[in-house]
Amino acid sequence: DAGVIQSPRHEVTEMGQEVTLRCKPISGHDYLFWYRQTMMRGLELLIYFNNNVPIDDSGMPEDRFSAKMPNASFSTLKIQPSEPRDSAVYFCASSFSGTKVYGYTFGSGTRLTVV
Amino acid sequence: GQQVMQIPQYQHVQEGEDFTTYCNSSTTLSNIQWYKQRPGGHPVFLIQLVKSGEVKKQKRLTFQFGEAKKNSSLHITATQTTDVGTYFCAATNTGFQKLVFGTGTRLLVSP
Repeated sequence: DAGVIQSPRHEVTEMGQEVTLRCKPISGHDYLFWYRQTMMRGLELLIYFNNNVPIDDSGMPEDRFSAKMPNASFSTLKIQPSEPRDSAVYFCASSFSGTKVYGYTFGSGTRLTVV
Repeated sequence: GQQVMQIPQYQHVQEGEDFTTYCNSSTTLSNIQWYKQRPGGHPVFLIQLVKSGEVKKQKRLTFQFGEAKKNSSLHITATQTTDVGTYFCAATNTGFQKLVFGTGTRLLVSP
């Protein structure tokens, strides 16, 4: 398995533009998570899905953020409109609940810069 | 919401010295996990602890879960330059699938 795949690796956009981050989880994993990492706030959980259904989006900072998981192999995180304070590394992670060890597998992340 | 604090925030050691990072929570935890993130990389899962007082070892790394399940530690014996990175604990008290990550301890090892 290629692991969790995120795209793009880097994104530079202007304030006010729409940004879409993409994630392909590991096949067979039933949980998918979106995290944001900054120096100031560390790793923050934004939203997570179980079997493609959003379970907890309490970490989504504002209505400008939205996430979807249309099927088991694809998820998106959209920011519209983007702002400079959204600059961060966004990680997608997946895990499988049918085991006693629930470690997450993270993707390589998308480094977002909003100028 | 649940918070998990780690200390120290940063440690710089000479190669061969030992290193320990501590993770503390004000609430009882269901389980605790440890991750390592290399500079510029992504968090990589190391281990999961579930039982009170549990101790697990991975080569030079020793992980411990407190008796009250409110704290944990990671100890590295005889650090190597390959140990450089940030070590995070991550925990949940509301089921296994919603992890809250600690603040992390950044380790720098000088040769």
